Amino acid sequence: DSGVTQTPKHLITATGQRVTLRCSPRSGDLSVYWYQQSLDQGLQFLIQYYNGEERAKGNILERFSAQQFPDLHSELNLSSLELGDSALYFCASSVTSAVTDTQYFGPGTRLTVL
Amino acid sequence: GIQVEQSPPDLILQEGANSTLRCNFSDSVNNLQWFHQNPWGQLINLFYIPSGTKQNGRLSATTVATERYSLLYISSSQTTDSGVYFCAPGDYKLSFGAGTTVTVRA
Repeated sequence: DSGVTQTPKHLITATGQRVTLRCSPRSGDLSVYWYQQSLDQGLQFLIQYYNGEERAKGNILERFSAQQFPDLHSELNLSSLELGDSALYFCASSVTSAVTDTQYFGPGTRLTVL
Repeated sequence: GIQVEQSPPDLILQEGANSTLRCNFSDSVNNLQWFHQNPWGQLINLFYIPSGTKQNGRLSATTVATERYSLLYISSSQTTDSGVYFCAPGDYKLSFGAGTTVTVRA
């Protein structure tokens, strides 16, 4: 158990819908990262937050957005869902935003878009 | 972004065998982690190893940063070692390879 929690574990929804994925980092960690694992793209970095502020962006679609709240939990919002958004979404956390920090991954949320 | 190549793509082992997984990456990095993704999809941290050698039980890893490669050694493999092993070099953003799928047979 990494100490990172993600809810829900599974989510099934329809095209065009909007969903919110939630992540609670390890106690004391200030940075949160979101990654997407899909069959065609593999595992790729989406976005990083540090202490409430966006720190870095990767291959995140405009239909996706994220935020980190004052209690440090983070939410990833996915809207206008398409079949291709079906994937495993991971949240990771680290103590700071230093590039040398170990990132610890949560169990993931499996999203299925029908 | 950083290009990551892992080899071999697939590995079938008999229980008790030893193996070496390789990861080549295209740029110098400040961070490199190895993960094991179990059959339930969970990503488990194995090593944080941007350089040097570390050991944890039957697993060990070596990264030669100047030559941009990392190796993961599995000794006396067990069926619970089955899954996909990912190398992820990077900095704030980890870049994942395609992984090595390991199957350990009893």
